Amino acid sequence: GESVGLHLPTLSVQEGDNSIINCAYSNSASDYFIWYKQESGKGPQFIIDIRSNMDKRQGQRVTVLLNKTVKHLSLQIAATQPGDSAVYFCAVEQTGANNLFFGTGTRLTVIP
Amino acid sequence: DTAVSQTPKYLVTQMGNDKSIKCEQNLGHDTMYWYKQDSKKFLKIMFSYNNKELIINETVPNRFSPKSPDKAHLNLHINSLELGDSAVYFCASRFGTGPYEQYFGPGTRLTVT
Repeated sequence: GESVGLHLPTLSVQEGDNSIINCAYSNSASDYFIWYKQESGKGPQFIIDIRSNMDKRQGQRVTVLLNKTVKHLSLQIAATQPGDSAVYFCAVEQTGANNLFFGTGTRLTVIP
Repeated sequence: DTAVSQTPKYLVTQMGNDKSIKCEQNLGHDTMYWYKQDSKKFLKIMFSYNNKELIINETVPNRFSPKSPDKAHLNLHINSLELGDSAVYFCASRFGTGPYEQYFGPGTRLTVT
């Protein structure tokens, strides 16, 4: 099986600062990793994903880092904005399992 | 255009009743899912269908019965509702059996009184 945990249930940052949300997983066979953002009253929304053949991937203001050795991934948000306030989930999957395991979520609050 | 839609958005009902939630996706995906999100925001998969065939059935009470009439629709019927069924239910879809990004619907908040 797989268990996924986020290091902090809540995170508060000042507007304009960078945010880092961390996630740990247990199954070394997991090879697909994804971050979702969930705003209040809405469904999870895709942010960025990464596969096990990479250790870093960048999007618009977001970067995902993957450390397979310690089974850890992180989401970095640059120049955090009030609109970034939401619950962030990491999720992991093993090819063939067709089962995305979600972490418990980190609530990010951006302080204006 | 809504990619993954669910109806209803809110559902309030009494214990013992039977209710259904509907999901439709217009993305051309062939795999669809039902997730349950509890009060602590934990998301757990319930069912997965690929090309109308059930491929994942997690430990879910028999009172929950999914039905996929075609690749674009996945409905969830719940019999004899219990207080513990209160949660937000999300439908999701994606291409194939992964691993790829899943697209989520807006959720159905079910409250059992």
